[in-house]
Amino acid sequence: QQPVQSPQAVILREGEDAVINCSSSKALYSVHWYRQKHGEAPVFLMILLKGGEQKGHEKISASFNEKKQQSSLYLTASQLSYSGTYFCGTASFSGTYKYIFGTGTRLKVLA
Amino acid sequence: EAQVTQNPRYLITVTGKKLTVTCSQNMNHEYMSWYRQDPGLGLRQIYYSMNVEVTDKGDVPEGYKVSRKEKRNFPLILESPSPNQTSLYFCASSLTGQGGYTEAFFGQGTRLTVV
Repeated sequence: QQPVQSPQAVILREGEDAVINCSSSKALYSVHWYRQKHGEAPVFLMILLKGGEQKGHEKISASFNEKKQQSSLYLTASQLSYSGTYFCGTASFSGTYKYIFGTGTRLKVLA
Repeated sequence: EAQVTQNPRYLITVTGKKLTVTCSQNMNHEYMSWYRQDPGLGLRQIYYSMNVEVTDKGDVPEGYKVSRKEKRNFPLILESPSPNQTSLYFCASSLTGQGGYTEAFFGQGTRLTVV
């Protein structure tokens, strides 16, 4: 039941772009994105609350396709600081308090 | 400073010896939850609390207990720890947990080893 993220891991050079996908077998009401550096706590990036909503955060943006039950995170012109593991977190309907994270995507940016 | 504080950060214990991991937040958040993180499995929710005295099971509650007697504190209790509970644990809080409306703030994590 965990949302599946793809790819599982990706290696980039500085300045390259990447897309991380989060797909769920259940309907999605909201999607969160977090980044976790090695040995640290996950840090919030953004929330998407409506189908079709796109949000941006510096050079990181995300989209939410409610019909396809998936969200994508876009990292453009990647920087060394983008390295880490990215997680999507989901709630399946507006009244739920249960929260499920995706399987994670390890991203490494090389100089 | 707004934060979620977990203690201890590291803990090695023996099978069967009861332990408590504390979690405290200073943001007056209603919603608190516990996760365990294992390689290849991501973050899995153990228990969550919608408010004081209201808790419910997440996806992996077996072997764990929680209580929410005060709004700021949400301890995780392992009554009889076993080696398969060796993991990295995170506590998180958010203003409200309903529908995932608001962002989660995470504690620094507790690395637990049960031998």
